[in-house]
Amino acid sequence: GENVEQHPSTLSVQEGDSAVIKCTYSDSASNYFPWYKQELGKRPQLIIDIRSNVGEKKDQRIAVTLNKTAKHFSLHITETQPEDSAVYFCAASTAAGNKLTFGGGTRVLVKP
Amino acid sequence: EAGVAQSPRYKIIEKRQSVAFWCNPISGHATLYWYQQILGQGPKLLIQFQNNGVVDDSQLPKDRFSAERLKGVDSTLKIQPAKLEDSAVYLCASSFLGQGHLYEQYFGPGTRLTVT
Repeated sequence: GENVEQHPSTLSVQEGDSAVIKCTYSDSASNYFPWYKQELGKRPQLIIDIRSNVGEKKDQRIAVTLNKTAKHFSLHITETQPEDSAVYFCAASTAAGNKLTFGGGTRVLVKP
Repeated sequence: EAGVAQSPRYKIIEKRQSVAFWCNPISGHATLYWYQQILGQGPKLLIQFQNNGVVDDSQLPKDRFSAERLKGVDSTLKIQPAKLEDSAVYLCASSFLGQGHLYEQYFGPGTRLTVT
């Protein structure tokens, strides 16, 4: 089955700096890669996703890149703000199952 | 639109007791998922339903966990008997369709289970 590795497990950045989280996946059939943000005690919420026919996608301060050959994808947050502090999860799935396999999470702390 | 509803939000039980969780997905969503999220880890899929049929239950510990979605709408997840390692947040999610289609999964608030 699919295996998703996520790094780093914790990330501390100064407000205004950029944050980068990296994930690798094992199943070459995976073609959908969402990123979820989970605040303490809250539900995971989708912040951005990318499909395998696209190499990069941006939404305001958030961008995701995908390298299908290397089987890795990354989340980039620019101009970080304190409200970006949360745990971020990457995930991968195939259209065949729409079954998400999650990475272990990255705890991001933005220091004011 | 109303989100995914779950109850109860919190549950504390002793080991070897039984417990049940309930989930009502977003109206019109054919696919329903139950995930287990252990503290400090990512959610792990336990079971996936499409309408009232099971699509994937490969990671469900079937000796103690069971789930049903009899009318293809709401669902219950049961644990009997519970073990200490079952302490986790149980998340329900739903999506418009499932197999063969890539649709966003919407998560409910979760049920935090503590087994003592």
